[in-house]
Amino acid sequence: EPEVTQTPSHQVTQMGQEVILRCVPISNHLYFYWYRQILGQKVEFLVSFYNNEISEKSEIFDDQFSVERPDGSNFTLKIRSTKLEDSAMYFCASTGGFYNEQFFGPGTRLTVL
Amino acid sequence: DAKTTQPTSMDCAEGRAANLPCNHSTISGNEYVYWYRQIHSQGPQYIIHGLKNNETNEMASLIITEDRKSSTLILPHATLRDTAVYYCIALLSGGYQKVTFGTGTKLQVIP
Repeated sequence: EPEVTQTPSHQVTQMGQEVILRCVPISNHLYFYWYRQILGQKVEFLVSFYNNEISEKSEIFDDQFSVERPDGSNFTLKIRSTKLEDSAMYFCASTGGFYNEQFFGPGTRLTVL
Repeated sequence: DAKTTQPTSMDCAEGRAANLPCNHSTISGNEYVYWYRQIHSQGPQYIIHGLKNNETNEMASLIITEDRKSSTLILPHATLRDTAVYYCIALLSGGYQKVTFGTGTKLQVIP
């Protein structure tokens, strides 16, 4: 069964450093998303991406964040200068279209020290 | 998106049916009812969705009342692996829609 994969599973970084979280969505999917979940809190939407551009972004997704689909298979989330409060699980998701069954990856745990 | 209301937590004995209720009294005619779950620290998992007819798949059944103001997710024979937080979400169809997760129902399956 096709699945969304994410790498790395755990990333530890120093405050102020740049991180790139990687995702490989399901191959024939068209819509891509990043969500995050701070420990003990709800899953929060960050950004959606379709046709090589951002469709929607939340207020969390400020200028420190960017997304890219560099090669037609990978989908990346970059945090330019990490803050302590960026520590969270980051989930990538993708969907094929109309019925919006989003398939989520296993997540990357980001720890900012 | 319409607001949904779910109980904070529920217990279910292993092997029994788990019936998870959801109220969505302000749901609009073109909003679907979606169910996702999140097993501890894993990515959310899509379970099922429906508009007005009852739906069944290999994971669960979804019963939607005729007035569409509430629904019930049924896991027919709950196992310990079904212990998770279950989210009921009202959502327009269309792939671009973000999923807004609430606090859900924490289902504990008891041996």
